[in-house]
Amino acid sequence: RKEVEQDPGPFNVPEGATVAFNCTYSNSASQSFFWYRQDCRKEPKLLMSVYSSGNEDGRFTAQLNRASQYISLLIRDSKLSDSATYLCVVNPPPGNTGKLIFGQGTTLQVKP
Amino acid sequence: EPEVTQTPSHQVTQMGQEVILRCVPISNHLYFYWYRQILGQKVEFLVSFYNNEISEKSEIFDDQFSVERPDGSNFTLKIRSTKLEDSAMYFCASSPLAGVDTDTQYFGPGTRLTVL
Repeated sequence: RKEVEQDPGPFNVPEGATVAFNCTYSNSASQSFFWYRQDCRKEPKLLMSVYSSGNEDGRFTAQLNRASQYISLLIRDSKLSDSATYLCVVNPPPGNTGKLIFGQGTTLQVKP
Repeated sequence: EPEVTQTPSHQVTQMGQEVILRCVPISNHLYFYWYRQILGQKVEFLVSFYNNEISEKSEIFDDQFSVERPDGSNFTLKIRSTKLEDSAMYFCASSPLAGVDTDTQYFGPGTRLTVL
């Protein structure tokens, strides 16, 4: 099983649509979880951290299900500028070295 | 806003040559990292560095790779004898803390390494 697994997509959606991305991780002892965004040939940029209680930042909502080892990202009211690759990222144990494990990424294309 | 910088943006080298990729992390950060991304593939962890020593390295980070913080600002990745398969985008990152739930790693713009 891959350490972090994502559906690569692409997801092609119209502006204004709601889209959801899912991710699973293999190491149940992982402690920290993130969604990063990567534009073509650019560096990853943190979109949001993911907490057990779930968290929301504007149009973006992230959820974590530790029992299922599953992370999700929901984007509401998609904008053209949301077009990018969304990376599910996990900090595996021991955790104190800062190592991040990236998923393959899910590509989103928002069309007018 | 402070940012991680990397030089050069693109490095072309011949197979077997040594390359040094340079990074200037954010000034008050304590943890430093190198990642690489082969074209079309996922971002892969190479090494983390804290308190002037490696805290963790991946299987990719073999004896051909080394890291150094030669002064108070630069963080370098050296590849001693480059191979074709070293061609990739190399990202430097830094963070103020590690292993904290709300920690953030800030990535530099990357150096594209092309080995011919």
